[in-house]
Amino acid sequence: DVKVTQSSRYLVKRTGEKVFLECVQDMDHENMFWYRQDPGLGLRLIYFSYDVKMKEKGDIPEGYSVSREKKERFSLILESASTNQTSMYLCASSMPFVRTSVNSYNEQFFGPGTRLTVL
Amino acid sequence: AQSVAQPEDQVNVAEGNPLTVKCTYSVSGNPYLFWYVQYPNRGLQFLLKYITGDNLVKGSYGFEAEFNKSQTSFHLKKPSALVSDSALYFCAVRGLTGGGNKLTFGTGTQLKVEL
Repeated sequence: DVKVTQSSRYLVKRTGEKVFLECVQDMDHENMFWYRQDPGLGLRLIYFSYDVKMKEKGDIPEGYSVSREKKERFSLILESASTNQTSMYLCASSMPFVRTSVNSYNEQFFGPGTRLTVL
Repeated sequence: AQSVAQPEDQVNVAEGNPLTVKCTYSVSGNPYLFWYVQYPNRGLQFLLKYITGDNLVKGSYGFEAEFNKSQTSFHLKKPSALVSDSALYFCAVRGLTGGGNKLTFGTGTQLKVEL
């Protein structure tokens, strides 16, 4: 079974702190994703990465950055945490989409989430 | 841009009755559609996907979904609901940006199955 782990289940930080959320997957997946989940808004993509050192902005990248130095690890960084970044953060991974194969679109596997509170 | 709508915030069903959780989508090109479930304090779990082929897709835990191209819908169904099916359900559609790797999720539907 694919396992995606996140460094913390619950985290409390103060406004202005630098926050690191870590995600590790053990299935050698090329793709990794960071989402935030808020009631009534569903999941919104912050950033994703399709290879080591590669990253692409999602729908709501403002206030966030990411790092992918190793294939299995994808970090989300809040440079200066703010109260509006209080949320549930979910990491996911998947195999890559192969354009030559119509059946190759692979589902994403999610970690348990980190509930971040910024005071 | 692609989008997904889940018109019901909550669906209540009696145990043993059939359940339907609705999803409609908008996307350019062929739709790749997914359903995920989230149990309390857990991450999302994959239920099923439609890529091509048969319009009725079968997935985990007895769930199935019916793809309807003319109505741009992908409703999740189960013939007989269980109390343990109570959870938050998300529909998602593959996007064309980001090399085709991106999913766009709906806002979620809370399913409550009561005795």
